[in-house]
Amino acid sequence: GQNIDQPTEMTATEGAIVQINCTYQTSGFNGLFWYQQHAGEAPTFLSYNVLDGLEEKGRFSSFLSRSKGYSYLLLKELQMKDSASYLCAVKDSNYQLIWGAGTKLIIKP
Amino acid sequence: IAGITQAPTSQILAAGRRMTLRCTQDMRHNAMYWYRQDLGLGLRLIHYSNTAGTTGKGEVPDGYSVSRANTDDFPLTLASAVPSQTSVYFCASSSGTGGESTAQYFGPGTRLTVL
Repeated sequence: GQNIDQPTEMTATEGAIVQINCTYQTSGFNGLFWYQQHAGEAPTFLSYNVLDGLEEKGRFSSFLSRSKGYSYLLLKELQMKDSASYLCAVKDSNYQLIWGAGTKLIIKP
Repeated sequence: IAGITQAPTSQILAAGRRMTLRCTQDMRHNAMYWYRQDLGLGLRLIHYSNTAGTTGKGEVPDGYSVSRANTDDFPLTLASAVPSQTSVYFCASSSGTGGESTAQYFGPGTRLTVL
């Protein structure tokens, strides 16, 4: 079967750095996406990786290792508004997105 | 309209009733999707459409139907609602042309309660 694993919840301090991990086992791989979802709102697109390595977008970076079935989202200079759930999703061989259950990130002052 | 809209925002429905959730996008995206999101579970795909006139079944299609008569609209119908269909429903779309452009963009969601 297909599976995406993420930690259920993480806590970090304002101004710090946090790394959210995602491991996946899917039938085929055609890209990995990270989304942010604030409570009661829709998911919003953050980043996309299809090749191994690091993609940086401002305070957010995403890393991919296809051979290890592993990705992480790195958030720097954490702000209170970063409190949200972070969803990892992999596009499989049928080009459908398989979603993880999400990691709830709690930021403390 | 800017992006994707969904209606209604929320609804309480009696079991056995028929209900259509509406979704409209103005981005001229080819692909559209319906998901449900339940606490502790990832988004689960109900139905999708890669282009107007075509539809496909996702992971959890039973009890739901869709149509795609044109590019902009993708309604989801519950023929006879059951309590297990209580969920938050998200409509999404993507340009589907490859790479990062296949990122999906979501509507605000419909919170449905079936009693």
